[in-house]
Amino acid sequence: QIQLVQSGPELKKPGETVKISCKASGYTFTDYSMHWVKQAPGKGLKWMGWINTETGEPTYADDFKGRFAFSLETSASTAYLQINNLKNEDTATYFCARYPYWGQGTSVTVSS
Amino acid sequence: EILLTQSPAIIAASPGEKVTITCSASSSVSYMNWYQQKPGSSPKIWIYGISNLASGVPARFSGSGSGTSFSFTINSMEAEDVATYYCQQRSSYPPTFGAGTKLELK
Repeated sequence: QIQLVQSGPELKKPGETVKISCKASGYTFTDYSMHWVKQAPGKGLKWMGWINTETGEPTYADDFKGRFAFSLETSASTAYLQINNLKNEDTATYFCARYPYWGQGTSVTVSS
Repeated sequence: EILLTQSPAIIAASPGEKVTITCSASSSVSYMNWYQQKPGSSPKIWIYGISNLASGVPARFSGSGSGTSFSFTINSMEAEDVATYYCQQRSSYPPTFGAGTKLELK
C-alpha cells in the first residue's frame, strides 16, 4: 500500500537549519509530484509548494521563497524539506503529500 | 490566488442532525476537494472532484456545488464525525485551502 513516512519531531533554536524527510513506498516515486503543506499550531493548512520528482525542479508558494528548499534522493524514494535560518513563526507541523496520500506530519518547534 | 471562505468556523451538532458546511471561492473553480482532519493526525481526503466520496467514507456524507459555491453535508451526524473539515481547490494555481470548520458533538 502507498505510504509516506516522515522523520521525527525536531526542536531547534532560531537561526538553525532543519531538514525533514518523507520516504515514499508502494508506488513508483518519480511518477507523482510531492507537495509540502504547513500547519501552524491550532491553524489551518497552507500549501508550501511542490517538487517534480522526475526532474527535481521545485516550485515554491510566494510565502515560502528564500529560506525553504525542496530536494530529492530518488534512489531512496525520499523527498526532503529544508528550512534555513529558522524563525519562531516556523513552528508548525509539516506534511508531505502525494495527493491524496499524506505523510503523518513532522513537528518542528523553534524556541530559544 | 483563489481565496476559499468556509462557513461556519465552528459548528456543534447532535447525533442524527444534518450538518452543512459551505465553501465560497473568490473566483470560479472546476473542482473542490474536502478533507477530514482529527487532532494529531494528517488530513484525509474525504470528498474529491466536488461530489465523489473517497474510499471508505460513509454514504451519509455528500458534496455538491459549482463555480464559486460548494457545500459539504452530513445527513445524520455521528460521534465519529467530530473533526475539522477543510475545502481545497487545485484547479487554479496555487492550490488553496479553506480555513477549516471544526465540527463538535452537541
